[in-house]
Amino acid sequence: AQSVTQLGSHVSVSEGALVLLRCNYSSSVPPYLFWYVQYPNQGLQLLLKYTTGATLVKGINGFEAEFKTSETSFHLTKPSAHMSDAAEYFCAVSGGSNYKLTFGKGTLLTVNP
Amino acid sequence: SAVISQKPSRDICQRGTSLTIQCQVDSQVTMMFWYRQQPGQSLTLIATANQGSEATYESGFVIDKFPISRPNLTFSTLTVSNMSPEDSSIYLCSVGVGTRYNEQFFGPGTRLTVL
Repeated sequence: AQSVTQLGSHVSVSEGALVLLRCNYSSSVPPYLFWYVQYPNQGLQLLLKYTTGATLVKGINGFEAEFKTSETSFHLTKPSAHMSDAAEYFCAVSGGSNYKLTFGKGTLLTVNP
Repeated sequence: SAVISQKPSRDICQRGTSLTIQCQVDSQVTMMFWYRQQPGQSLTLIATANQGSEATYESGFVIDKFPISRPNLTFSTLTVSNMSPEDSSIYLCSVGVGTRYNEQFFGPGTRLTVL
């Protein structure tokens, strides 16, 4: 069984500040981890993914995430927030032969000028 | 990656009617998925649709309510039958790529409102 917990349904930052969106997962097999972004009235766009290999993963738009087995975490960060980063962010997990994605409840990121 | 389109992008329907949502992909894919995103909520998988076989439904979703077709490797439809206001949601299709099909690319979604 797999599950994802996103801490904080709403995160607000100032433009130029660090963005940190938290994701913890549970998986009985080595996980594949994903971050998706959903802009208003749009579908989901893949930001980045971890499958195997390097635990620090870089994605689009300056985002990155680090896979930490010891903490069962896959937090999403960006050094400097931009107004265009305002969106809903979803963390997701799959694993083993199970190709199904399990999504977290999402975190709404607000960027203040 | 894959480019996915959905029709319609949005619709307002009356209670008791049915709506068929189309999902078109720009390349041949084996695995397609249908999700529901209720207002303010995360995504819930409805079913997995492989070409040439019956769709596999998740717990809480049944074929009579959400019949799915997958006639070829680039196209699928989801029908929401006998709709009620509780069916008001965004419905998204996705395609699975990669060796384990778990890297998924999503369509823009169909925003359904049932009155």
